[in-house]
Amino acid sequence: GAVVSQHPSRVICKSGTSVKIECRSLDFQATTMFWYRQFPKQSLMLMATSNEGSKATYEQGVEKDKFLINHASLTLSTLTVTSAHPEDSSFYICSAGGLAGVDEQFFGPGTRLTVL
Amino acid sequence: AQSVTQPDIHITVSEGASLELRCNYSYGATPYLFWYVQSPGQGLQLLLKYFSGDTLVQGIKGFEAEFKRSQSSFNLRKPSVHWSDAAEYFCAVAANTGGFKTIFGAGTRLFVKA
Repeated sequence: GAVVSQHPSRVICKSGTSVKIECRSLDFQATTMFWYRQFPKQSLMLMATSNEGSKATYEQGVEKDKFLINHASLTLSTLTVTSAHPEDSSFYICSAGGLAGVDEQFFGPGTRLTVL
Repeated sequence: AQSVTQPDIHITVSEGASLELRCNYSYGATPYLFWYVQSPGQGLQLLLKYFSGDTLVQGIKGFEAEFKRSQSSFNLRKPSVHWSDAAEYFCAVAANTGGFKTIFGAGTRLFVKA
């Protein structure tokens, strides 16, 4: 199956700093990527849909200025958590899928963000 | 609104015993249904999916699921559980909400005892 990578796998940062997470589709082109947030022992919450070459579509309640998403190429989407605070600590997972989310999505291994 | 319900937060089964994980969905149109598995600290892996056709779907690792439209259910089954099956299982539905999105259930944690 298709492979999606995320970098870094873990990051620890100080409160107030910004953190960038990369999501790459390694062996296919992804016009659409998705960013999820997962709290401990909870399900995945869709944060935004990232479309190559256009602005991301954010879910209700997700701050656009807080979570900046850029999908500059067909193989790379980035999520930047700006001015991070401890409540932003979470597991962030990206996925890339076919047919705008209808078909199977291929998930990255996730990034554990800890904000001190 | 579209939703996915997994009524069991966690389930414990003995190794070698059969398994059934429940999933109910709420969606007006024909659903696209998925089961994913997540090991601790890992991303999700697709076990199986249902789009149309035969309502009994075979997946990887010996899993199967049956789509029952009348019950709005898509339960996951395995005849004999292995210790390596211990993980978190998510049922999901792809819904058209102004663009298709995947909506996940809350997950069921499977524990396997020797």
